[in-house]
Amino acid sequence: DGGITQSPKYLFRKEGQNVTLSCEQNLNHDAMYWYRQDPGQGLRLIYYSQIVNDFQKGDIAEGYSVSREKKESFPLTVTSAQKNPTAFYLCASTQSRGNTIYFGEGSWLTVV
Amino acid sequence: GESVGLHLPTLSVQEGDNSIINCAYSNSASDYFIWYKQESGKGPQFIIDIRSNMDKRQGQRVTVLLNKTVKHLSLQIAATQPGDSAVYFCAETLRGQNFVFGPGTRLSVLP
Repeated sequence: DGGITQSPKYLFRKEGQNVTLSCEQNLNHDAMYWYRQDPGQGLRLIYYSQIVNDFQKGDIAEGYSVSREKKESFPLTVTSAQKNPTAFYLCASTQSRGNTIYFGEGSWLTVV
Repeated sequence: GESVGLHLPTLSVQEGDNSIINCAYSNSASDYFIWYKQESGKGPQFIIDIRSNMDKRQGQRVTVLLNKTVKHLSLQIAATQPGDSAVYFCAETLRGQNFVFGPGTRLSVLP
């Protein structure tokens, strides 16, 4: 089945530790996105990539990093510089501009 | 995991009734709008979309209405079922750039 796969579903991070969330899509979509979702708030854009080997910061990029070495993969690293990383993280993709944005099933990150 | 949307407005409807969920969008130039359904602990699912050159679009049991004059979007769900219980939120975009998402409304279907 075509879709967006995020892993792991649940992840725990210790203070000072970097963690990486995986996102893979087999929809042949060009653009990929990472959003953060906090209770009672709309989705906030962390990073996005319109094409392989290129990505742009979103509204809340500080403390996060990404790479886009392959069209189907867009991993997100939550670094120790992100002081409040506990949230639900959503990966998304679109075929091209003007089209619907589709989401993965999300990853919960908790700081312990 | 903690449920997202703990402090969202809630709409409670009886099973079988119609539901209307509203959304105020921010950019009068936005040309494409989407409604999503998000169940607890899951990713948002596409429900229905509408472009700015339309004011109404119907799907299976769902209808989206767009009022550009007051920048208002609504989602109507006919014959609401228990499986419709979820958080619903709208999204707007201009030419597929800078998707902006609303905080959402929690729909609770009462038996």
